[in-house]
Amino acid sequence: AQTVTQSQPEMSVQEAETVTLSCTYDTSESDYYLFWYKQPPSRQMILVIRQEAYKQQNATENRFSVNFQKAAKSFSLKISDSQLGDAAMYFCAYTLSDRKLIWGLGTSLAVNP
Amino acid sequence: DTGVSQDPRHKITKRGQNVTFRCDPISEHNRLYWYRQTLGQGPEFLTYFQNEAQLEKSRLLSDRFSAERPKGSFSTLEIQRTEQGDSAMYLCASSRYGLSNWDEQFFGPGTRLTVL
Repeated sequence: AQTVTQSQPEMSVQEAETVTLSCTYDTSESDYYLFWYKQPPSRQMILVIRQEAYKQQNATENRFSVNFQKAAKSFSLKISDSQLGDAAMYFCAYTLSDRKLIWGLGTSLAVNP
Repeated sequence: DTGVSQDPRHKITKRGQNVTFRCDPISEHNRLYWYRQTLGQGPEFLTYFQNEAQLEKSRLLSDRFSAERPKGSFSTLEIQRTEQGDSAMYLCASSRYGLSNWDEQFFGPGTRLTVL
């Protein structure tokens, strides 16, 4: 079965600090894309960062970076210099060639001032 | 604003009634996806279209659910004889498939359905 596991239902971080959200996934395919999406309260889902499975280099987008371990099927998200606006639900997801997204249950991130 | 729009944003209905939701994708996007998100859960794939063709329908989608995308533009999702278990947020996303080796899905604000 194709699954995504986010083992941390809730996380908190102090403003300006760094936090890492964990994600593991399971697929037998070799060609896929991994994503982290952010869903702020009562607002729509937005893409934070993506990673192509065939690329060994970890993706980075400003304060957001990933640690992609393909053999371990692990895809964690690191948020540096956390800001109050980073508070949201974060979902890990992946897609195969059909592009439909397979999602984890999410991690609720609180940012403390 | 040229983002994905969904209508209505909220719908309250009584069990057994039929409801229909609409999604307007970004105009040049040829793919349209429907997902369902229940409280405290991640979204689950329901179905998707490429232009007007429905390419896949999840086993989660019972016969009471039907989706259409006439003319390859907006899409509708209809639920007949609603049940309380249908209460969820219904998310629509669209993407421009085929331009590159991946396509970002842009999400609408969702339609929150409450079945009493």
